[in-house]
Amino acid sequence: EPEVTQTPSHQVTQMGQEVILRCVPISNHLYFYWYRQILGQKVEFLVSFYNNEISEKSEIFDDQFSVERPDGSNFTLKIRSTKLEDSAMYFCASKWGGYEQYFGPGTRLTVT
Amino acid sequence: GQQLNQSPQSMFIQEGEDVSMNCTSSSIFNTWLWYKQDPGEGPVLLIALYKAGELTSNGRLTAQFGITRKDSFLNISASIPSDVGIYFCAGQLMTGGADGLTFGKGTHLIIQP
Repeated sequence: EPEVTQTPSHQVTQMGQEVILRCVPISNHLYFYWYRQILGQKVEFLVSFYNNEISEKSEIFDDQFSVERPDGSNFTLKIRSTKLEDSAMYFCASKWGGYEQYFGPGTRLTVT
Repeated sequence: GQQLNQSPQSMFIQEGEDVSMNCTSSSIFNTWLWYKQDPGEGPVLLIALYKAGELTSNGRLTAQFGITRKDSFLNISASIPSDVGIYFCAGQLMTGGADGLTFGKGTHLIIQP
């Protein structure tokens, strides 16, 4: 069964450093998403991406964040200058059309 | 932004018991989804609902999309140990749109031996 994959599973970085989180969405899906989940809290929407551009972004997704689909399979989230409060699980999700979003296993980002 | 109120926050039940949890919103959603999350893993889709009033089952799970489009419930019948986890409701404003999901805070299901 096709699934969303994410790498790395755990990333440790120092405050102020840039990180890139990588995702491979399900192959025939058209919509791509990033969410984050701070430990013990709910999942929060960051950004959606469709037709090679950002469709929607939340207040969390400020100028420090960017997304890219560099080729036909990868979808990345870049955080330019990490802050302590960026520590969270980051989930990639994808969907084919109007319906269900499927989530990857997540990347745990720890900023020290 | 939209808020989803999910209850209860946690449930302590015995194996074999039925479980019920719900989500309410002050805003209308056109799609409701229920996910389960195990520790350290991503949310796994359980049931998706697209029409007001719709009742959908997936094995021992049953979910309904409220007629006002502002609420949904999830029932689990005859709970088993592997049902332990956190259950999240999620709503989407536009079916077919690129907008992100709004999640509830989750219901933590604990099954006592």
